[in-house]
Amino acid sequence: NAGVTQTPKFQVLKTGQSMTLQCAQDMNHEYMSWYRQDPGMGLRLIHYSVGAGITDQGEVPNGYNVSRSTTEDFPLRLLSAAPSQTSVYFCASSYGGTGKNTGELFFGEGSRLTVL
Amino acid sequence: GDSVTQMEGPVTLSEEAFLTINCTYTATGYPSLFWYVQYPGEGLQLLLKATKADDKGSNKGFEATYRKETTSFHLEKGSVQVSDSAVYFCALRNYGGSQGNLIFGKGTKLSVKP
Repeated sequence: NAGVTQTPKFQVLKTGQSMTLQCAQDMNHEYMSWYRQDPGMGLRLIHYSVGAGITDQGEVPNGYNVSRSTTEDFPLRLLSAAPSQTSVYFCASSYGGTGKNTGELFFGEGSRLTVL
Repeated sequence: GDSVTQMEGPVTLSEEAFLTINCTYTATGYPSLFWYVQYPGEGLQLLLKATKADDKGSNKGFEATYRKETTSFHLEKGSVQVSDSAVYFCALRNYGGSQGNLIFGKGTKLSVKP
């Protein structure tokens, strides 16, 4: 019962490099999202998806891209890393719509990114 | 837009002390309310939730009551333990006003001393 799996757990980049944070869930959740966590700022939504082929921007989308080609996977791409993107990133998922959806988000363990 | 405000930390208590962490919200419609907990080095996990007015969520000795008249969802525990040391996040989820995204407060760090 893996839940939400994020890789890598730690990454160090140089300014201008690109990389992809991977997120996979095995709960058949329609809704997936990416948050970043910074000291004193709580969690801020970057991008989210309500189903395969559908993505939308959250509060802080600049510098990040996402895609949702399958229900299970929701990768987050940093196109040209900047020091301001140093943060801890969390992927989360849930059922969408009504029915099974109790509103609870299930979180991965986080990916700590440092941009030098 | 929708928002959550929770008391600033850090909060330091002695073991067996009473805990209250205040949380108020602004939202259209009828959001669901949550408390999440983050232990050091880990991701967030749901602590408790309430989906309608006057509901009380409870788990592991923690409680919170959904008060629509005061737009509040304060977290309480009668006797904290060292193992309760963590960061606590209040959050709301409003399918009417925020595309169903979870909106978080900034978190309150709790340290419990033996």
